[in-house]
Amino acid sequence: ETGVTQTPRHLVMGMTNKKSLKCEQHLGHNAMYWYKQSAKKPLELMFVYNFKEQTENNSVPSRFSPECPNSSHLFLHLHTLQPEDSALYLCASSPNTGGAENTIYFGEGSWLTVV
Amino acid sequence: AQSVTQLDSQVPVFEEAPVELRCNYSSSVSVYLFWYVQYPNQGLQLLLKYLSGSTLVKGINGFEAEFNKSQTSFHLRKPSVHISDTAEYFCAASKTSYDKVIFGPGTSLSVIP
Repeated sequence: ETGVTQTPRHLVMGMTNKKSLKCEQHLGHNAMYWYKQSAKKPLELMFVYNFKEQTENNSVPSRFSPECPNSSHLFLHLHTLQPEDSALYLCASSPNTGGAENTIYFGEGSWLTVV
Repeated sequence: AQSVTQLDSQVPVFEEAPVELRCNYSSSVSVYLFWYVQYPNQGLQLLLKYLSGSTLVKGINGFEAEFNKSQTSFHLRKPSVHISDTAEYFCAASKTSYDKVIFGPGTSLSVIP
């Protein structure tokens, strides 16, 4: 039990589908993140939320739409994805977005396959 | 901008042999350093972190890392690896200010029976 729960663990979707990834953290943290992990590529930070407000968007295409209704929940809405978007999507949380207390806790990830 | 370099993308090592995974960071100011491990089909979890004080940091599963300010390095070591140590290892760094954590590209450790 990592304290960060992601659902679904596996998702297969067509390029015209709309789906969402869900993340929930039970650690009382203020910051939440979405990362993309593709085979043989470095971990890519996609979005950062701090106290429900988006503080970073690393030039992510608009077909990925994050939503953070409160500090415990984070969604990633997916729409008209491309096959190259197939990857492991990791949600994470931390007490804050930087500094000494910033141990990041990761969920187990959602494996996304776009067909 | 802060950056983290892991020069070895893959490290094969025989079981019970020692291993060192290298990490270098670019920063002229104080920095916090982390090592995370990702076992197959799982998310990342913290192995150890350096905040201040002793330059030798001990973590879980027998791993340790040494902070070397002059060489801007934070190499991870284990004196005797096990099959279960096969995983991806990520070095990460954060400045003292409220700055985001930057991850290195990762090193894949394969322990050979």
